[in-house]
Amino acid sequence: ETGVTQTPRHLVMGMTNKKSLKCEQHLGHNAMYWYKQSAKKPLELMFVYSLEERVENNSVPSRFSPECPNSSHLFLHLHTLQPEDSALYLCASSQNPRDRGSPLHFGNGTRLTVT
Amino acid sequence: AQSVTQPDIHITVSEGASLELRCNYSYGATPYLFWYVQSPGQGLQLLLKYFSGDTLVQGIKGFEAEFKRSQSSFNLRKPSVHWSDAAEYFCAVGEDSGYSTLTFGKGTMLLVSP
Repeated sequence: ETGVTQTPRHLVMGMTNKKSLKCEQHLGHNAMYWYKQSAKKPLELMFVYSLEERVENNSVPSRFSPECPNSSHLFLHLHTLQPEDSALYLCASSQNPRDRGSPLHFGNGTRLTVT
Repeated sequence: AQSVTQPDIHITVSEGASLELRCNYSYGATPYLFWYVQSPGQGLQLLLKYFSGDTLVQGIKGFEAEFKRSQSSFNLRKPSVHWSDAAEYFCAVGEDSGYSTLTFGKGTMLLVSP
């Protein structure tokens, strides 16, 4: 059973819609992450939050807007997306954000399709 | 910058046969290395990790991996594959970002034949 829960599991949205992805971690971790997984490409880090402060952006387009209200919750707000944004969006958490060896714990992802 | 190469996109192994998945990394200092597994429709699950010490590390589900600095490799092995091992496997290296972020390989899809 995963300690990281993502909702919804599947999302279909038009390019003019606004939607949000939600992630909740029950592990007491101090850092949360958004990764994008596209077909035939390595996982791409989008955002990192350490103790609710965003510490890395990785040049993600502004149509993706993260929000971390507390150390257990993470959102990804989506607006005016493009078809190439269709992918599996994975949330992860880690216990010690400053420890390069602290493993990531992943949720099951949200499969996003932009039509 | 660090990088991870998994040269095999797909591998098919007969059930009960042994398995080795290859991973090569590029990193200047001592790497922090990980193997993750992703079953269809699921997120990534940590199989094992290497930081230092014994170069042969044991993980969950009967998997092990061996760190070879001279070859910049961290190959994953299992002596006898089960049908439930069919999944995609990702090798990753800890980044120099100052945070616990990872650089992933593109993954190897393991198919298990009866």
